[in-house]
Parts: sequence; C-alpha cells; structure tokens
Amino acid sequence: AQSVAQPEDQVNVAEGNPLTVKCTYSVSGNPYLFWYVQYPNRGLQFLLKYITGDNLVKGSYGFEAEFNKSQTSFHLKKPSALVSDSALYFCAVRDRSGGGADGLTFGKGTHLIIQP
Amino acid sequence: EAGVAQSPRYKIIEKRQSVAFWCNPISGHATLYWYQQILGQGPKLLIQFQNNGVVDDSQLPKDRFSAERLKGVDSTLKIQPAKLEDSAVYLCASSLGTGRFYGYTFGSGTRLTVV
Repeated sequence: AQSVAQPEDQVNVAEGNPLTVKCTYSVSGNPYLFWYVQYPNRGLQFLLKYITGDNLVKGSYGFEAEFNKSQTSFHLKKPSALVSDSALYFCAVRDRSGGGADGLTFGKGTHLIIQP
Repeated sequence: EAGVAQSPRYKIIEKRQSVAFWCNPISGHATLYWYQQILGQGPKLLIQFQNNGVVDDSQLPKDRFSAERLKGVDSTLKIQPAKLEDSAVYLCASSLGTGRFYGYTFGSGTRLTVV
C-alpha cells in the first residue's frame, strides 16, 4: 500500500522569506510524486511532478521540489514567498508499478499562510 | 481546452436520501476518477474508470455508493442512502490514459452536506 505524510498542519512564513512544506512518502516500488494547491471553493491545481531524472523539479509560480530517495521525501520549496501563495497544499504519490490502477494517494494537506 | 465539468456545485440533503453527481471529463480523456475529500483530509480515490470499464473500486463503499460511465465519456456517482459521514467534496478528475504517465486534471468538485 502507498501512503503520504505531511507532518505540518500549518506553516507560517513572512512574505519574502523562503518557504518549505514537508512531504514524505511510502510506496512498494518507485514513485511518481506530485504537489497540488487548493484555494477555497476551488479544485486542485497542479504545481509540479517528479517522474524521473533530475531530483530537483521546477514547477508553476516559482515553486520547486526536491526528490530524496534515501529519505523518501519530496519537500516543496520557494525562495521568496508571496501573500498570494497562501493556500492548502497537497502532496500525492503513485506507484510506478501500479499498472492500470493509477489513482493518486494524497497527504492530509498543509495550510500555508504567508504574512505580509 | 475546456476543463473537467462537474455539477451541481453544492447539494444539501437529509440523511437516508439519495443524491447523484455528474462529471464530464476533458474531451478525449479515457481515464476518469472520482475522489472524496472530507473536510480536513486529503482526497481519497473512490473509483477509477478506463473508458467504460472499472479499473479500481477497492475504496468505494459499495453498499451505498455506485458509479457508472456507460458510454465512456461522462460519469455519474450516486449515494443511496446518504449518511452524515458522506458530507464531503466529491472531485472528478480525468487523464488521457494509463500505462504511461499522463497528467491529471481535476474539476472544481461538488460539495455535499448531509443533515
């Protein structure tokens, strides 16, 4: 079975400071990893994904994430936070060896609050 | 391209009533997913369709939940009878296919409140 842990319910960062939202995962094989963002009363918006190749993945809105296989982590980062980054962030995983069944397993989400 | 369409946006029903949600995926997307997102939790996969066939329904509470995708395009998810714990946002997502990686596109969801 696959699982995702987001250990922080909320992360508070001052505008202009770097931010990190943590994610660790567990799969039986090799993972596909994703970050999504959700604004109030909106669906999930894709930020970035790790499939293969470079461990540092760059995505939308200046976000990036680093895949660390030994630590089974995929932390989301941004060098300089904006107030508009305030939202609910979800990490998700899919086992590459899942065959046709390829639905995502999500973490519980982390509220990111950027203070002006 | 048009996104994943879901309706209704909101629904309030009494417990033991039935309810249905509709999803129209992106044109040409063979794979369709229904997720349940309870407040304070991440989305949980309920069912995955590949065209009009079920690929994975291992987390679907089959005693009260059912879903169909008869013509391999749009899909309906039904709950009968509803319980208080079914209050959640029901998200539909679609993808071009499986077997290799395709991206997933999510709809805005249907927020169900059971009272």
